[in-house]
Amino acid sequence: SQQGEEDPQALSIQEGENATMNCSYKTSINNLQWYRQNSGRGLVHLILIRSNEREKHSGRLRVTLDTSKKSSSLLITASRAADTASYFCATDAWDSNYQLIWGAGTKLIIKP
Amino acid sequence: EAQVTQNPRYLITVTGKKLTVTCSQNMNHEYMSWYRQDPGLGLRQIYYSMNVEVTDKGDVPEGYKVSRKEKRNFPLILESPSPNQTSLYFCASSPQGGQVNGYTFGSGTRLTVV
Repeated sequence: SQQGEEDPQALSIQEGENATMNCSYKTSINNLQWYRQNSGRGLVHLILIRSNEREKHSGRLRVTLDTSKKSSSLLITASRAADTASYFCATDAWDSNYQLIWGAGTKLIIKP
Repeated sequence: EAQVTQNPRYLITVTGKKLTVTCSQNMNHEYMSWYRQDPGLGLRQIYYSMNVEVTDKGDVPEGYKVSRKEKRNFPLILESPSPNQTSLYFCASSPQGGQVNGYTFGSGTRLTVV
């Protein structure tokens, strides 16, 4: 079942610019995770933010979580060509029995 | 290196011919899961396993079987593949359902059923 919805579906920016992707979800969660997928390859876990956290950083990544709005954003600063990929959010809902519910993804293209 | 290994990477088969996609993890993870990914439909869970000998259906289990006889292996079995099972398949594992460190994914198996 799909809970998360990423916005925008696709994003194209110049190298060096910041990229922001958003994720909205429907039910109360334990945590929210962001993953990256290079074309046709396996997903790579980027960052996990718990429901009692509001912001988390990892290198050039910044994730925020607003549980009152049931939304999260992923910011990639100083983008590089290697950041070109699809980005997915996944939520671990309270009653999910450890199931992750996935959004449809944002396709990010970094133009050199 | 900590990883999830899927085999094969690519597979073309004919309708009705039983096949198995293997998945193995070397991280002693309790939780393992199979997903399929189709354009426009995102990731959909097929089956998952909380631990050895414990398996449960995900969102799209029809036409698939799994087993978890040992902790490291979680094979996906298609007893009688059909063209609508043509897809990109991923195996994933985590210590405890992804609540702490997220999931580790395999590189994927691209299956074509003709």
